[in-house]
Amino acid sequence: DAKTTQPTSMDCAEGRAANLPCNHSTISGNEYVYWYRQIHSQGPQYIIHGLKNNETNEMASLIITEDRKSSTLILPHATLRDTAVYYCIVRATGANSKLTFGKGITLSVRP
Amino acid sequence: DGGITQSPKYLFRKEGQNVTLSCEQNLNHDAMYWYRQDPGQGLRLIYYSQIVNDFQKGDIAEGYSVSREKKESFPLTVTSAQKNPTAFYLCASSITRDNEQFFGPGTRLTVL
Repeated sequence: DAKTTQPTSMDCAEGRAANLPCNHSTISGNEYVYWYRQIHSQGPQYIIHGLKNNETNEMASLIITEDRKSSTLILPHATLRDTAVYYCIVRATGANSKLTFGKGITLSVRP
Repeated sequence: DGGITQSPKYLFRKEGQNVTLSCEQNLNHDAMYWYRQDPGQGLRLIYYSQIVNDFQKGDIAEGYSVSREKKESFPLTVTSAQKNPTAFYLCASSITRDNEQFFGPGTRLTVL
């Protein structure tokens, strides 16, 4: 069973920020939020992950709400190459540390 | 160049034949994984290995087999017992089971 809920699709204009939402209302205290993306017919690419605090790297920022029941992945300046399916995944560490991929959200970046 | 390689990119086999998909990594990662993806769907875990000479079944292991004789290699055999083998197969690795996974480019298997 998917532990996250994402919209099916969204679009944004090139050069603008893309804000991708994810709900994970049943997340447990030891579970991280991971984001991957998959460009058509390629392997998924790791983007970022976090537990409680907001995180930023060279690709994106991850904003997690204080109650941890939802998060937002932010691509600050979307380009056409960011068009992909984005997966939000909740994952524990230890013996049950597997990635469970749902259907993700399709982001289309328009020129 | 460090990374994960899967070959070939496209593979065709006749029904009833076993086929082995290769996955190699030179990242010195302990853990390796095999996933299957069907059109319009997310990935499903077939098998994973946390360390050499050890592996565990994932969610959909029936009809598949693996081996982990070397740290860098984790081949997947799709046997004739797998009822619906046509799919996109993805291999991944991570430093340990708790770290982020990095994926290979995938092998698209078509059984005719």
